[in-house]
Amino acid sequence: QPALTQPASVSGSPGQSITISCTGTSSDVGAYNYVSWYQQHPGKAPKLMIYDVSNRPSGVSTRFSGSKSGNTASLTISGLQVEDEADYYCSSYTTSSSSVFGTGTKVTVL
Amino acid sequence: QVQLAQSGAEVKTPGASVKVSCKVSGYTLTELSIHWVRQAPGKGLEWMGGSDLENVETIYAQKFQGRVSMTEDTSTDTAYMELRSLRSEDTALYYCTTRKYDILTSYYNTHFDPWGQGTLVIVSS
Repeated sequence: QPALTQPASVSGSPGQSITISCTGTSSDVGAYNYVSWYQQHPGKAPKLMIYDVSNRPSGVSTRFSGSKSGNTASLTISGLQVEDEADYYCSSYTTSSSSVFGTGTKVTVL
Repeated sequence: QVQLAQSGAEVKTPGASVKVSCKVSGYTLTELSIHWVRQAPGKGLEWMGGSDLENVETIYAQKFQGRVSMTEDTSTDTAYMELRSLRSEDTALYYCTTRKYDILTSYYNTHFDPWGQGTLVIVSS
């Protein structure tokens, strides 16, 4: 199962909004509403930020939101803050009952 | 609150096997679907395998089939991942993570939360 495609890097100034895309196929992202997003700071384990395309776990800031159209999912971070600087990964359940992660996006706060 | 505690770092020679453990607390193993994800140095996350949505069958990523085994000891609430025939490319941080049961759907969720702290496996001659 090839990795989902994400931009290598995205940057923005504090207070701005940025969007990270996650492109898959009709066998993963396009098949179900089972896309999740993870934030990973250097040297730390990943943290769940969004699940089932657009749901936020308890404790995650409302500045994080998710959406999907066809085979592409997106994560938007509004009101960018310094602490949002991290790597972000999307993940999708697939039609072969496996899971696949995206290639990862480094978010830089300018 | 689920907590996952993994075993310590390992150094192995090429061709050897490694077995990483993941101790569950706050829940019992029977309530969780354990999955394993690895991350090579400076690289992205790679799903290795885990239980299906009904927590009946273990699904392995095609890349690891025949070389990996994922087992559980419910008496100690500990999950294990064994990777055999190690090569230098297997040097990575190995994470265990969980999917929880959703009583509304009667299936396990498809997202991973929480994660263990990771176990570094170094393969070097």
